Amino acid sequence: QKEVEQNSGPLSVPEGAIASLNCTYSDRGSQSFFWYRQYSGKSPELIMFIYSNGDKEDGRFTAQLNKASQYVSLLIRDSQPSDSATYLCAVGSWGKLQFGAGTQVVVTP
Amino acid sequence: GAVVSQHPSRVICKSGTSVKIECRSLDFQATTMFWYRQFPKQSLMLMATSNEGSKATYEQGVEKDKFLINHASLTLSTLTVTSAHPEDSSFYICSAKTGTEQFFGPGTRLTVL
Repeated sequence: QKEVEQNSGPLSVPEGAIASLNCTYSDRGSQSFFWYRQYSGKSPELIMFIYSNGDKEDGRFTAQLNKASQYVSLLIRDSQPSDSATYLCAVGSWGKLQFGAGTQVVVTP
Repeated sequence: GAVVSQHPSRVICKSGTSVKIECRSLDFQATTMFWYRQFPKQSLMLMATSNEGSKATYEQGVEKDKFLINHASLTLSTLTVTSAHPEDSSFYICSAKTGTEQFFGPGTRLTVL
């Protein structure tokens, strides 16, 4: 059974602080790793993807991948109230994505 | 990012009827599209992979005769929920793959009475 695990939260973060989200996966053959943001009742929005070990930065977001530990994380710097949402980790093999249950983030003013 | 549309955004139907949901890639060609389903408070579950010009491949536990998929062109895939029942009520979301990224449509909320 291939699994993608995330802490469900909620993760409460003060405005302006860094939110740190974690994700582990079981399939060592996974090739691609995505972070999506989903607002309640809406479809997921792609934040960023990462394929190689290490860090990848895009604006306020940084994804970190460690394939040996089967671990991928997302850092959100300078968190804003508009960042309050559920963050989905998705792990891909041959185009198919398997999603974690998501971590709810609440940014408090 | 690339744009994927879905129609309709919301549908309410009676039990036993069939519902068709369209997924279009608006600014790119997608040889592969994916259909997901999301129940309340749960994550997305892949239902099937839609391939242009060939039969869709379904995930384990998904009835192919109930969820008919047609990938008619490089920009259009349709999902038909046949003889819908209340337990089919869910949020159906398609996605299209462009090389390295996968973008999602806005979703279709299906309610079966």
